[in-house]
Amino acid sequence: QQPVQSPQAVILREGEDAVINCSSSKALYSVHWYRQKHGEAPVFLMILLKGGEQKGHEKISASFNEKKQQSSLYLTASQLSYSGTYFCGTEIPNSGGSNYKLTFGKGTLLTVNP
Amino acid sequence: SQTIHQWPATLVQPVGSPLSLECTVEGTSNPNLYWYRQAAGRGLQLLFYSVGIGQISSEVPQNLSASRPQDRQFILSSKKLLLSDSGFYLCAWSVSLRGRQPQHFGDGTRLSIL
Repeated sequence: QQPVQSPQAVILREGEDAVINCSSSKALYSVHWYRQKHGEAPVFLMILLKGGEQKGHEKISASFNEKKQQSSLYLTASQLSYSGTYFCGTEIPNSGGSNYKLTFGKGTLLTVNP
Repeated sequence: SQTIHQWPATLVQPVGSPLSLECTVEGTSNPNLYWYRQAAGRGLQLLFYSVGIGQISSEVPQNLSASRPQDRQFILSSKKLLLSDSGFYLCAWSVSLRGRQPQHFGDGTRLSIL
């Protein structure tokens, strides 16, 4: 089941903040966030784990509401280098725990202008 | 440190021709390996994943297949390409624990079918 990301696109000026949301219709084992610049491969930003643990980028923060099956990525004081498409990937548990695979949302295009 | 290599970077093939894309990982043992496809302006679609030599899980029925002949080698193949097979193909790896691990992507292969 593909997670739903919102908004689909956002345009910021340098220094402004943005929030990107990711919602799932199923209970989640973890949520992963990636950024992809045009023509390049996605780059890992952060993992949020069931139970509250986070692993990832120092300058980007995120939250994971297990009950609501939602995650949000917070980009503060945006820089030009933040531009790109942000994807969330959700990991849905099977009876044995993780099933190793991620299902990605359609992405949120973030444009930061000077 | 770990690195992932994908080749070729770009490929133009006629409809009905065969396909072989190769991915290798260095600096780690027994990684989980993944093949994704990304259509223009779209999200990441998981095609295959592997948790060990000879172990392949298929996510989307299609005319593609995958093989893992060696621990750190993952191959995507087709006997006869279709126009709909065009896209950006990405290989990724993660540490072989049960989930909760970031996936690291190769630079991708841009495949055009004529």
